[in-house]
Amino acid sequence: DIQMTQSPASLSASLGETVTIECRASEDIYNGLAWYQQKPGKSPQLLIYNANSLHTGVPSRFSGSGSGTQYSLKINSLQSEDVASYFCQQYYDYPYTFGAGTKLELK
Amino acid sequence: QVKLLQSGAALVKPGASVKMSCKASGYTFTDYWVSWVKQSHGKSLEWIGEIYPNSGATNFNEKFKGKATLTVDKSTSTAYMELSRLTSEDSAIYYCTRALFGVFAYWGQGTLVTVSS
Repeated sequence: DIQMTQSPASLSASLGETVTIECRASEDIYNGLAWYQQKPGKSPQLLIYNANSLHTGVPSRFSGSGSGTQYSLKINSLQSEDVASYFCQQYYDYPYTFGAGTKLELK
Repeated sequence: QVKLLQSGAALVKPGASVKMSCKASGYTFTDYWVSWVKQSHGKSLEWIGEIYPNSGATNFNEKFKGKATLTVDKSTSTAYMELSRLTSEDSAIYYCTRALFGVFAYWGQGTLVTVSS
């Protein structure tokens, strides 16, 4: 199975700040990577797919980048509604696998 | 709009089975794979498997083979997942998702399964 290592596990940032979350795959996943946001008590929501494509309706302050085994999610100008957990997921190969998640809080 | 409506929470005894449902609306049910994802309390997400409603074809995470059974009822646009021989390790929230090439763009609200005697 492809292992997804996500960092940091938790993150505290101020409103308006830019934050970056990293995800490393155990092998090349050829941009088959998605990012999800999960707010407390809610289902995960798709933010980014194909490593850098913004899902419909997602604010443009979210962006994804990377290639090969290294990927990142960037949130520009952090808003209060961005407080959530974030997960990366590879869909290059079966079984689909997720990172352990990053919990983002406000400082 | 696309909606996935899952069945309610279940409290089941160890060793028993549970079957949960996921009713799809707002799109052609047979055109997209339905995946199921497990989220144990406070933890990350695990992909269980997927089913293609048009043909009934399935793919599973090896970890869940023998544990999960996936079926669909095309007449009601409903997907089902049955979990067997339940233990405390199966206590979790289970989500159904509409999948396209492994990307989960739409999620149900989740079904909480609690295994307890």
